[in-house]
Amino acid sequence: QQQVKQSPQSLIVQKGGISIINCAYENTAFDYFPWYQQFPGKGPALLIAIRPDVSEKKEGRFTISFNKSAKQFSLHIMDSQPGDSATYFCAASRLQAGKMYSGGGADGLTFGKGTHLIIQP
Amino acid sequence: DARVTQTPRHKVTEMGQEVTMRCQPILGHNTVFWYRQTMMQGLELLAYFRNRAPLDDSGMPKDRFSAEMPDATLATLKIQPSEPRDSAVYFCASGTGEKLFFGSGTQLSVL
Repeated sequence: QQQVKQSPQSLIVQKGGISIINCAYENTAFDYFPWYQQFPGKGPALLIAIRPDVSEKKEGRFTISFNKSAKQFSLHIMDSQPGDSATYFCAASRLQAGKMYSGGGADGLTFGKGTHLIIQP
Repeated sequence: DARVTQTPRHKVTEMGQEVTMRCQPILGHNTVFWYRQTMMQGLELLAYFRNRAPLDDSGMPKDRFSAEMPDATLATLKIQPSEPRDSAVYFCASGTGEKLFFGSGTQLSVL
């Protein structure tokens, strides 16, 4: 059972455009939703994360939008740059007593299958 | 910069051989995770430890995989015997607060 569904599988965006990646989750116990960025030959790295008490979080050119009722969240990359070309993973987890003690949550992160993003110059 | 160190980076072995992958978590991190990455399944959680105690290894094939954390500076993932379907990139990650830090992975090829 895939608990976090991610789309699209691949995405090509022109430089300066907006990249949008979507995720949907099933487990209503999830209360922590990070996005990870992975470059070839490297491990995933935390990009931005959100908790369900807010509907949007912005850090620089990266924004997470969160819709609790629809159990969906998305990553928007504004003014996309060739250096943003990477694989992006959404993930979900449970906090422990309302806190994230270990980065991986109470039971470890459940990842989507990833989106391969290419920004064309 | 503090980082999670994994060895070896690449491993090619023949079916039936034992494979041991090692991970040095970031000093002070109390939780260590093992993930496996394949094209078909993406990132799958295999096992994790908190304060060196195993908390969950339900993601691992029990008959051939084992994970241990003999001390705070070393986590190991062992496959015995290895099979071609085990070919994947194995990641170790350690965490604290709201950040999980991944190593660069061990790319395993079982022929």
